[in-house]
Amino acid sequence: GDSVTQMEGPVTLSEEAFLTINCTYTATGYPSLFWYVQYPGEGLQLLLKATKADDKGSNKGFEATYRKETTSFHLEKGSVQVSDSAVYFCARLNTGFQKLVFGTGTRLLVSP
Amino acid sequence: GAGVSQSPSNKVTEKGKDVELRCDPISGHTALYWYRQRLGQGLEFLIYFQGNSAPDKSGLPSDRFSAERTGESVSTLTIQRTQQEDSAVYLCASSLRTSGRNTGELFFGEGSRLTVL
Repeated sequence: GDSVTQMEGPVTLSEEAFLTINCTYTATGYPSLFWYVQYPGEGLQLLLKATKADDKGSNKGFEATYRKETTSFHLEKGSVQVSDSAVYFCARLNTGFQKLVFGTGTRLLVSP
Repeated sequence: GAGVSQSPSNKVTEKGKDVELRCDPISGHTALYWYRQRLGQGLEFLIYFQGNSAPDKSGLPSDRFSAERTGESVSTLTIQRTQQEDSAVYLCASSLRTSGRNTGELFFGEGSRLTVL
């Protein structure tokens, strides 16, 4: 079935380090792909999205490229900040276009 | 309101009691979703509403779980005879649909944390 797999956390980085959080999806159809973020004490919010192969989503310095050949949508940021500490969820729209299917989330901890 | 509102934010109940969780979506959002997030785990889809009908309720774990929605407004998730394994954060989200399709851009509430003793 439709699913996404993302790397387990926590990911612990120092401020200004480079971030990659891996995400792969099952290759059924051509799903839209998403990254959501949950900051401490807040609800999930959309970070970025990509709707077709080779699209790059970007927001707040984060980027992710829709790679059909590797069924991946890895999240990257060149220089993380303490304020980026949060849980990041990769998600895909299911083939019926009815619901989002989420990964298990990756906690990012950034220290000064 | 400006965002998705959920109540209560915290609920502690005894095993076997019934609970009701409420979600007030963003005005004008026709689609509404319930997810469950157990401690240390990902989001588990429960049910999806389009207007007041539920095209997909495949994620409801058992017949103790039910949900309803009034028009394109408030939704209530009811858990009867609660069990300890029902302890989780229950998240509600709403979204617009464009051209009859889900955009995938969901707006989440802060969740209702349920603890069953």
